Amino acid sequence: DTGVSQDPRHKITKRGQNVTFRCDPISEHNRLYWYRQTLGQGPEFLTYFQNEAQLEKSRLLSDRFSAERPKGSFSTLEIQRTEQGDSAMYLCASSLGVGNTEAFFGQGTRLTVV
Amino acid sequence: KQEVTQIPAALSVPEGENLVLNCSFTDSAIYNLQWFRQDPGKGLTSLLLIQSSQREQTSGRLNASLDKSSGRSTLYIAASQPGDSATYLCAVSLNDMRFGAGTRLTVKP
Repeated sequence: DTGVSQDPRHKITKRGQNVTFRCDPISEHNRLYWYRQTLGQGPEFLTYFQNEAQLEKSRLLSDRFSAERPKGSFSTLEIQRTEQGDSAMYLCASSLGVGNTEAFFGQGTRLTVV
Repeated sequence: KQEVTQIPAALSVPEGENLVLNCSFTDSAIYNLQWFRQDPGKGLTSLLLIQSSQREQTSGRLNASLDKSSGRSTLYIAASQPGDSATYLCAVSLNDMRFGAGTRLTVKP
């Protein structure tokens, strides 16, 4: 399968714990995006990478959130000191690059903070 | 800041009807507009990509149009089927992608 892969699919954690999600984009896609989606809403932009460079971060991405893409391939999204309000679906997408290129999404990681 | 709005928020139709979903955006400086489908609890599946220089794209029973100057796009679904029931999202891209809240479609047998 050469689609976007996210791991884990589901995560339940206690408030205050740290969690880390992984995204493997489609091979040769140099742009990678992270989104957060809550029930009944569209995806909210968090951040995106062009290769290993993080080019934009949303104000939604507080200092408890950090994302990396160390070698321009897979990416990780870490949430420190989780709060109940962090419960959401975290989505990753990738595309070939800027301009008129199609974006493809993974199946998401569902986070529940109890 | 780009704002994307989708109307209606929800739509219920009998099987076989043709239907139109609407998407509007506030900033016409975009590279492309993409329509996605999302089933409950799942990720997004790309349906159609319209480049900024294009007016429409077609795939099977789906046709999407783009009027960049007025900030509007429509997704036309012909001969709807129960399997089309899902949430449909539009996203506009410049450097990042910005989404609307989606239209939740139910097609009744």
